[in-house]
Amino acid sequence: GAVVSQHPSWVICKSGTSVKIECRSLDFQATTMFWYRQFPKQSLMLMATSNEGSKATYEQGVEKDKFLINHASLTLSTLTVTSAHPEDSSFYICSARVSDRVAGNTIYFGEGSWLTVV
Amino acid sequence: GQNIDQPTEMTATEGAIVQINCTYQTSGFNGLFWYQQHAGEAPTFLSYNVLDGLEEKGRFSSFLSRSKGYSYLLLKELQMKDSASYLCAVMDSNYQLIWGAGTKLIIKP
Repeated sequence: GAVVSQHPSWVICKSGTSVKIECRSLDFQATTMFWYRQFPKQSLMLMATSNEGSKATYEQGVEKDKFLINHASLTLSTLTVTSAHPEDSSFYICSARVSDRVAGNTIYFGEGSWLTVV
Repeated sequence: GQNIDQPTEMTATEGAIVQINCTYQTSGFNGLFWYQQHAGEAPTFLSYNVLDGLEEKGRFSSFLSRSKGYSYLLLKELQMKDSASYLCAVMDSNYQLIWGAGTKLIIKP
């Protein structure tokens, strides 16, 4: 199946600094990627939808200036958490949509990135 | 509004069969997904149904009835490693995934 790689898996940063998380589709081109956040014992929360070559669409309540999303190519989307604070500590997960004439649409997930802000 | 309902938690015995139900009300329908998520890990894809009926994949099967807004995930020959959360998600008319809260499945020896 399709593979989505997310990096880094774990990151610790100081409060006030910025951290970038990468999401790559390894064996397919992803015109659409999604970024989620998941707090412990809670469901996935969609943060934004990223379309290649255009601005990301953010969900209500998600600060676009704080969570910068760039989808510059068909295989790479990045999420930058700017001026991170301890409350931003969470599990961040990306996914990419594959559209196939036979199989239809499928969403594959990256491995996720644990962010801890100290 | 859009809504996905699935049980919060289920318990089953190793070697047995368990069925996890999911009902949905969404703006349009472009398929229903089941994902497995172990604690602290990202979800992994299990199945995708876009037409009515049963899709079988090894020990896992998924069923869809679009007219009833209903799906289930059937797990056979349960193993301890099947202990996880199972997430139901529907792709709406805008190709956005609407997520259920997940069903925590506990497998007992």
